[in-house]
Amino acid sequence: SQTIHQWPATLVQPVGSPLSLECTVEGTSNPNLYWYRQAAGRGLQLLFYSVGIGQISSEVPQNLSASRPQDRQFILSSKKLLLSDSGFYLCAWNLGGGTEAFFGQGTRLTVV
Amino acid sequence: DQQVKQNSPSLSVQEGRISILNCDYTNSMFDYFLWYKKYPAEGPTFLISISSIKDKNEDGRFTVFLNKSAKHLSLHIVPSQPGDSAVYFCAASESSGDKLTFGTGTRLAVRP
Repeated sequence: SQTIHQWPATLVQPVGSPLSLECTVEGTSNPNLYWYRQAAGRGLQLLFYSVGIGQISSEVPQNLSASRPQDRQFILSSKKLLLSDSGFYLCAWNLGGGTEAFFGQGTRLTVV
Repeated sequence: DQQVKQNSPSLSVQEGRISILNCDYTNSMFDYFLWYKKYPAEGPTFLISISSIKDKNEDGRFTVFLNKSAKHLSLHIVPSQPGDSAVYFCAASESSGDKLTFGTGTRLAVRP
């Protein structure tokens, strides 16, 4: 069966510090991978998605970036965090359009 | 531009009664729709989906209705149970595409 791992679960970082959130998927090949953010009182905002190794599509211009160094690994990064980067970050995977996506447990990021 | 909208941020229903959650979309290219349930500090879990070739899909207590001409879908939960209390997100995608776009969510509270 397929599983998705996302870590860390919680993170408190000072403004201006770097960020690296990691997500890995097991039990499937060539998945689409997604990073979403849920800010307080808001819906799920798509940040990045990837349809293959090294292929990243950005949805929202910001100081975040994403990378996919391996087929089942998706990394969300920032060189310098802003207060507005606080939120609940979710990684997800699916097998393309017309299929359901499965989510990780999320990372609560607080920038202080 | 919010392509998927859930105009009711919250809904309160008595246990045993029907819960109806609504969702509207603007992109006529969307042909696959999903509902997710989310508890605090957890990732969303997939509930039910429907493709645009159907107007109804049922799974146990959950039924999704799709009105393509009105660009509207709804999730019916009957009978509602206290464990159904959560935030519900609708989502939409194009079968030929890769993006999964979410609404802003509706918080459902089922009163015992």
